Amino acid sequence: KQEVTQIPAALSVPEGENLVLNCSFTDSAIYNLQWFRQDPGKGLTSLLLIQSSQREQTSGRLNASLDKSSGRSTLYIAASQPGDSATYLCAVKVSGSNYQLIWGAGTKLIIKP
Amino acid sequence: ETGVTQSPTHLIKTRGQQVTLRCSSQSGHNTVSWYQQALGQGPQFIFQYYREEENGRGNFPPRFSGLQFPNYSSELNVNALELDDSALYLCASSSSLAGGPDEQYFGPGTRLTVT
Repeated sequence: KQEVTQIPAALSVPEGENLVLNCSFTDSAIYNLQWFRQDPGKGLTSLLLIQSSQREQTSGRLNASLDKSSGRSTLYIAASQPGDSATYLCAVKVSGSNYQLIWGAGTKLIIKP
Repeated sequence: ETGVTQSPTHLIKTRGQQVTLRCSSQSGHNTVSWYQQALGQGPQFIFQYYREEENGRGNFPPRFSGLQFPNYSSELNVNALELDDSALYLCASSSSLAGGPDEQYFGPGTRLTVT
């Protein structure tokens, strides 16, 4: 059974710092991994999607890496800004009859001005 | 191109009542997935519909049921509401060939409160 874990559960850093969020999964048989952002009480915004054959994806100040063999992904945020404050969730799409997403519980990020 | 929309935005129901949540998928998408997100947790998969047929189900009781219509919009119905059903309900649509693993696009969610 696939399980996804995100550490830390919460993170507070000063504005301008580079930071790394971690996501680990127990079964390497995945189709892809997505990183999402969720603002309080809101829906989910997809940030980056990494296919199982890829090692990383970049979008602006964000870079996500994927290491299937070790069951890990990282989301790197460069030059953090107060507007980056949100909860960041990772989800893996697993093989099976319905290709459902399995989610971590998220990392709540606070960027202090 | 319109994105995924959900209605209503917020809903308050009493324990034992029934509720219907609605989702309009993104144009061109034929697959809809529903998720339940309790406060402080990641979303949990409820079920997925592909071309009007249920294409998989998570660990939710039968009182959670769904429909997908010919225009690929979808409904989530919950009977005999319980306090623990209070959550954010998220709908995601995707364009899948035979239900394959394409990227899912999420709506803003419906916040359900059961009192």
